[in-house]
Amino acid sequence: ETGVTQTPRHLVMGMTNKKSLKCEQHLGHNAMYWYKQSAKKPLELMFVYSLEERVENNSVPSRFSPECPNSSHLFLHLHTLQPEDSALYLCASSQDRLVGAWEQYFGPGTRLTVT
Amino acid sequence: DQQVKQNSPSLSVQEGRISILNCDYTNSMFDYFLWYKKYPAEGPTFLISISSIKDKNEDGRFTVFLNKSAKHLSLHIVPSQPGDSAVYFCAASSPGNTPLVFGKGTRLSVIA
Repeated sequence: ETGVTQTPRHLVMGMTNKKSLKCEQHLGHNAMYWYKQSAKKPLELMFVYSLEERVENNSVPSRFSPECPNSSHLFLHLHTLQPEDSALYLCASSQDRLVGAWEQYFGPGTRLTVT
Repeated sequence: DQQVKQNSPSLSVQEGRISILNCDYTNSMFDYFLWYKKYPAEGPTFLISISSIKDKNEDGRFTVFLNKSAKHLSLHIVPSQPGDSAVYFCAASSPGNTPLVFGKGTRLSVIA
């Protein structure tokens, strides 16, 4: 596998469920990101990890819980979500977290539907 | 308040003609700009970038122009091809450890 992979690609969950999104990057990058893309809205940055340490949390509700066990893997744990959380969740990585200098590589995304 | 704006949600262009996608920004601290292209069911892929010290960057059929005084950048694709049909996102960043700020995207349709 190359690049950035995400599983599952599609997920339907009820509001009381607990699920996790997984991201894996095979690029040797040091920084990883979670983004949310809702319809007709810009990509919203949720979390940034640099060398497995969270460095940014853009006021994301606690029902979203990230985990970065190593520099290649990133998880987004979901619990008691709301229907408005239905969106495309994109994972990205970059060589460094100084994103002004380094391009980000995106995974294909997980299409999440909360019922 | 949106710092990066792509005011045209969609654009249709005939194959072989020029596609011009526009992006405006409000934050004068932005010093690096990128364009991403996104196909359905795929994540965005990096296309081309420009630093604020330049006003033009060219890569094959793709050219990005930056007008700092107008806080405006544009992506030119010439000649346009059907495979260019995708959503194009403009993104910007400012110096230091700041995240990319994305626009809402423009859907380009190149008609054969």
